[in-house]
Amino acid sequence: GNSVTQMEGPVTLSEEAFLTINCTYTATGYPSLFWYVQYPGEGLQLLLKATKADDKGSNKGFEATYRKETTSFHLEKGSVQVSDSAVYFCAFYSGSARQLTFGSGTQLTVLP
Amino acid sequence: NAGVTQTPKFQVLKTGQSMTLQCAQDMNHEYMSWYRQDPGMGLRLIHYSVGAGITDQGEVPNGYNVSRSTTEDFPLRLLSAAPSQTSVYFCASSYRSLTTNNEQFFGPGTRLTVL
Repeated sequence: GNSVTQMEGPVTLSEEAFLTINCTYTATGYPSLFWYVQYPGEGLQLLLKATKADDKGSNKGFEATYRKETTSFHLEKGSVQVSDSAVYFCAFYSGSARQLTFGSGTQLTVLP
Repeated sequence: NAGVTQTPKFQVLKTGQSMTLQCAQDMNHEYMSWYRQDPGMGLRLIHYSVGAGITDQGEVPNGYNVSRSTTEDFPLRLLSAAPSQTSVYFCASSYRSLTTNNEQFFGPGTRLTVL
């Protein structure tokens, strides 16, 4: 069935470090891929998305590329800030399932 | 716009009690949904609605009821709470039914504990 596997946390980095959070998916057809971010005490917010193979989503310095051949959508940022501390969720939408399927989330803490 | 609002923020229930989690949005969104978030399991869809008067089940609907009498409101009812329903509940909405280009907007969540 449909599923998302993402890197387990928590992840702790120093400010200005490089970030990668791995995400792979299992889905039928050609899903659209998303990264959502949840800041402390808040609901989830869309961070970026990609709707077809080789698309790159980007926002706030974060990037992720839709890799169909490896069914992956890894999140990267070249230089993290303390304000990036949050929980990051990888997700996909498959029309056949008519719902978003989420990964388990990765807690990121950035230290000054 | 207030966006998606949820009440209460926190709730403690005893097994067998009933309660309603409230969700409202002021963006005139057609699509609304309820998720639960459990440690290590991400978010799972409970119920969703594609418009007033129309609801359907998601991945984990058992033990929950919903109704959609207005575009703005989408309450989630627990008729007889069980400890397995201890979770964080999120309401979300989007302009139209969920497709590749419709962003979902999430409320701040309700943390429910069932003793």
